[in-house]
Amino acid sequence: AQKITQTQPGMFVQEKEAVTLDCTYDTSDQSYGLFWYKQPSSGEMIFLIYQGSYDEQNATEGRYSLNFQKARKSANLVISASQLGDSAMYFCAMREEELIFGAGTRLAVHP
Amino acid sequence: DVKVTQSSRYLVKRTGEKVFLECVQDMDHENMFWYRQDPGLGLRLIYFSYDVKMKEKGDIPEGYSVSREKKERFSLILESASTNQTSMYLCASSSLPVASWTNEKLFFGSGTQLSVL
Repeated sequence: AQKITQTQPGMFVQEKEAVTLDCTYDTSDQSYGLFWYKQPSSGEMIFLIYQGSYDEQNATEGRYSLNFQKARKSANLVISASQLGDSAMYFCAMREEELIFGAGTRLAVHP
Repeated sequence: DVKVTQSSRYLVKRTGEKVFLECVQDMDHENMFWYRQDPGLGLRLIYFSYDVKMKEKGDIPEGYSVSREKKERFSLILESASTNQTSMYLCASSSLPVASWTNEKLFFGSGTQLSVL
């Protein structure tokens, strides 16, 4: 069964607008971590943001925020004020024992 | 900045060849990982290592082996390459001890796109 589900294979957003990338996860553990990574065309995976399962506040890192809804088991990434350089693949990941990745969402930012 | 370097960006090999993918990190990290990335499947863990000469199987170790003779270097070996091993291979490293497991952040290399013909 899929542990991490990203239902949006591709997304478009206008420059300067906000965009939400969806991620749901499946775990029976109480302690786990949720991550978002960005992969530009250069190939390197870049860490964006982390949310621990016991963290009560939603994580924020600059223009990135994680909308953590524990009861729904969702960890959506919100990018505010999109920039052209945000065009990339975005992966949601969860750590129980190992780090498990979703299939990814390709985001295209249009001018 | 942490630097994880993969020796080749693109590699083309023939079926049956022995293939070595090399990965070096310069931040004295304890942990190193090999993933393969396929469209629609995300990243899947092949092998990982917590220390020199230590290795653990990930989710898809079949057809692969690894070598960690030095802390900074983690090699992925395809003993006899097959066409279904055509993929993007990503190496990663991290520094946190196992006790801090859930918030461990990985640093990735730029990947090696391997084509097996």
